[in-house]
Amino acid sequence: GAGVSQSPSNKVTEKGKDVELRCDPISGHTALYWYRQSLGQGLEFLIYFQGNSAPDKSGLPSDRFSAERTGGSVSTLTIQRTQQEDSAVYLCASSWRQGSGGYTFGSGTRLTVV
Amino acid sequence: QQQVKQSPQSLIVQKGGISIINCAYENTAFDYFPWYQQFPGKGPALLIAIRPDVSEKKEGRFTISFNKSAKQFSLHIMDSQPGDSATYFCAASYSGNQFYFGTGTSLTVIP
Repeated sequence: GAGVSQSPSNKVTEKGKDVELRCDPISGHTALYWYRQSLGQGLEFLIYFQGNSAPDKSGLPSDRFSAERTGGSVSTLTIQRTQQEDSAVYLCASSWRQGSGGYTFGSGTRLTVV
Repeated sequence: QQQVKQSPQSLIVQKGGISIINCAYENTAFDYFPWYQQFPGKGPALLIAIRPDVSEKKEGRFTISFNKSAKQFSLHIMDSQPGDSATYFCAASYSGNQFYFGTGTSLTVIP
């Protein structure tokens, strides 16, 4: 596609429910990143994927968070047993390869846990 | 621990004025310093970036000034326009690792 596509754009869920957020990177981009943006907190790194290498999960805040990337393309971020503090905008970005310069971000998924 | 510290948190500038946003970092291994611009409801978009082998980079009305010894870099927006009103993030990375972002600056340019 022309850009990084994320879905849904908005998600409201009840506390304790599981949610899945999807990211479709730019075709040919081998590096994919997930960030979380909370009000006044900047962008918090969650996880990145580079080709077929094992992902860097060092930013995941708890074991309730997980992500996978199928076929080196689409990625899904899963949050289990959501909590109110998980409410944020979840941003996905991709680049040609890790370290190739700037990322291209999607528009994000705004998650609200009620 | 905040790897990149950004200030101010918010900034109001008259149309035609100069907007200046500052960032500081500690990790001397950082070798790539981008600035991102974000409009409401959109993801951040790469605006301009610099590597530490130069002290300044200019693209149109946007300039990055980089001070390696002070471990600081700043974004200057000349002739600021209302359309520049957005949130700006500085970032830093090294050897292709993940980016560390500042906390953002909300810029408002008053007509």
